[in-house]
Amino acid sequence: EAQVTQNPRYLITVTGKKLTVTCSQNMNHEYMSWYRQDPGLGLRQIYYSMNVEVTDKGDVPEGYKVSRKEKRNFPLILESPSPNQTSLYFCASSFNYGYTFGSGTRLTVV
Amino acid sequence: GQNIDQPTEMTATEGAIVQINCTYQTSGFNGLFWYQQHAGEAPTFLSYNVLDGLEEKGRFSSFLSRSKGYSYLLLKELQMKDSASYLCAVSGNTPLVFGKGTRLSVIA
Repeated sequence: EAQVTQNPRYLITVTGKKLTVTCSQNMNHEYMSWYRQDPGLGLRQIYYSMNVEVTDKGDVPEGYKVSRKEKRNFPLILESPSPNQTSLYFCASSFNYGYTFGSGTRLTVV
Repeated sequence: GQNIDQPTEMTATEGAIVQINCTYQTSGFNGLFWYQQHAGEAPTFLSYNVLDGLEEKGRFSSFLSRSKGYSYLLLKELQMKDSASYLCAVSGNTPLVFGKGTRLSVIA
């Protein structure tokens, strides 16, 4: 089944403790992206990647890092999480048009 | 830059028809998308318009006017399960940008 897999689905962590949210797709898509979604603000793009080893900042990249060492994986790294990064995160991949989204990761930073 | 506007909330009655509007300003245009998102879940693809006109898919239709920077999503024969947020998104010279979404409530 074609899908984008994110892990974990839920995560509660403490301020400053590094964490990684994994994202993997099995559709051989070149384009992958990370979004965060907050009430009243909609989906905002954090980082995106057009292909392996090519990444670019989106609208809200501060406090996040990404890597794209292989086509299928696009992890999101929070080196020192802060409470304002509490949010619902979505990974997405795309071929020609239209995104396929992962199931989301609800992150709480206390 | 890109700017996408859609109403924040709408309410409609079960069995009725509802139209959700979206206006946009973009640098370049490669297509307009509509997604449905239930609370806490991932957005799911509904429709894609790249040429002017109406695209129909079952109970859902989407219209595009590129010259006016305008689109709408039409939902017919509303069902309670259609209560969700509907996201308008535009692909231009930058990656896909989403509007803030329209929360639709379907009431009996």
